Amino acid sequence: EPEVTQTPSHQVTQMGQEVILRCVPISNHLYFYWYRQILGQKVEFLVSFYNNEISEKSEIFDDQFSVERPDGSNFTLKIRSTKLEDSAMYFCASIVDGNTEAFFGQGTRLTVV
Amino acid sequence: DAKTTQPPSMDCAEGRAANLPCNHSTISGNEYVYWYRQIHSQGPQYIIHGLKNNETNEMASLIITEDRKSSTLILPHATLRDTAVYYCIVETSYDKVIFGPGTSLSVIP
Repeated sequence: EPEVTQTPSHQVTQMGQEVILRCVPISNHLYFYWYRQILGQKVEFLVSFYNNEISEKSEIFDDQFSVERPDGSNFTLKIRSTKLEDSAMYFCASIVDGNTEAFFGQGTRLTVV
Repeated sequence: DAKTTQPPSMDCAEGRAANLPCNHSTISGNEYVYWYRQIHSQGPQYIIHGLKNNETNEMASLIITEDRKSSTLILPHATLRDTAVYYCIVETSYDKVIFGPGTSLSVIP
């Protein structure tokens, strides 16, 4: 069964450092998403990406965040200067088209110290 | 924000059917009802979705009322591995899936 792959599974970084979280969506999917989940809280939408540009973003997705699809297969989330409150699970998802199910990766646990 | 209401938690005996309700009284005609679940801290997993007809797949059944203002997800024979948080979501656009707090289902031996 096709799956969304995320790397690394766990990343520890110092406050103020830049991190890049990587995702490989399912190959024929066209829409890509990032979500985050702070420990014990609900899954929160960050950003959606289609046709090489952001289609929607939440208020969480401020200037410290950026997304890129650099090579047609990877989909990355960059946090420029991490804060303690960025510590969370980050999930990537993709869908093939509208009104179809989203496939989620297993997440990257980001710990900012 | 999420446009659904679900009970915060439910218990179900192992082997019995788990019936998870969801109210979506403001649903509009072109919005689908989706169900996902999240086991512990894993990535959310799609279960089933429907527009107005009842749906069944290998994981579950989805019963949508005729007025579409509520639905029920049925896990026919719950196992311990079905212990998870279950999310009922209504959406039209593929721009985003918005998660609410969901229902925490505990399957009890």
